[in-house]
Amino acid sequence: QSALTQPASVSGSPGQSITISCTGSSSDIGRYNYVSWYQQHPGKAPKFIIYEVTKRPSGVSNRFSGSKSGNTASLTISGLQAQDEADYYCSSYTGRNTLVIFGGGTKLTVL
Amino acid sequence: EVQLVESGGGLVKPGESLRLSCAVSGFTFNNAWLTWVRQAAGKGLEWVGRIKSKASGGTADYATPVKDRFVISRDDSNNMVYLQMNSLKTEDTAIYYCTTGYSNDGVYHGDDAFDVWGQGTMVTVSS
Repeated sequence: QSALTQPASVSGSPGQSITISCTGSSSDIGRYNYVSWYQQHPGKAPKFIIYEVTKRPSGVSNRFSGSKSGNTASLTISGLQAQDEADYYCSSYTGRNTLVIFGGGTKLTVL
Repeated sequence: EVQLVESGGGLVKPGESLRLSCAVSGFTFNNAWLTWVRQAAGKGLEWVGRIKSKASGGTADYATPVKDRFVISRDDSNNMVYLQMNSLKTEDTAIYYCTTGYSNDGVYHGDDAFDVWGQGTMVTVSS
């Protein structure tokens, strides 16, 4: 299966909001409400920030929110902070041989 | 606290084998479904495979690129999960992470959502 499609980069100024899209197909994002998002700082393991499209794990800031429409999921970060600068990855359950596929990642730059 | 600690990475030649280990602590291992995810340098995350709990059959599923070459197993008596990698290719070069849907507050987020991650172990396949 092909990876999910994310923009290579997005940027925003402190305090602003940004949205990162994640486009799949009717076989993954469009079929299942099992979309997750991860934040990864350089040299670190990914951090889990959203699951089941909209849910936040305990301890994750409510500045992070997720949504989905059709075959596209989105991550919105509001009130941008310098520490939000990182790579962000989406993932989706597929129900096929490769059970989970990830997006290619989006580099967020806080200007 | 849920902790995953990988080991066993290193430099191997194409066609050789390597076994990675993941030591698990902080939750009921017997119930855990555990997943391996890899990341090549400068690239994105890639799901490698996962193993179910023994109660759910203990079977493993694999991504298409590694199916028939990689084997995931578990030792419930020692809280360990393993990734046996055979017939290694240069494109298998990556950091390999062990991960689970269990959280530090005891919530299970499912088979497709990865809450706690190990620090990763580097595998380099090069002649």
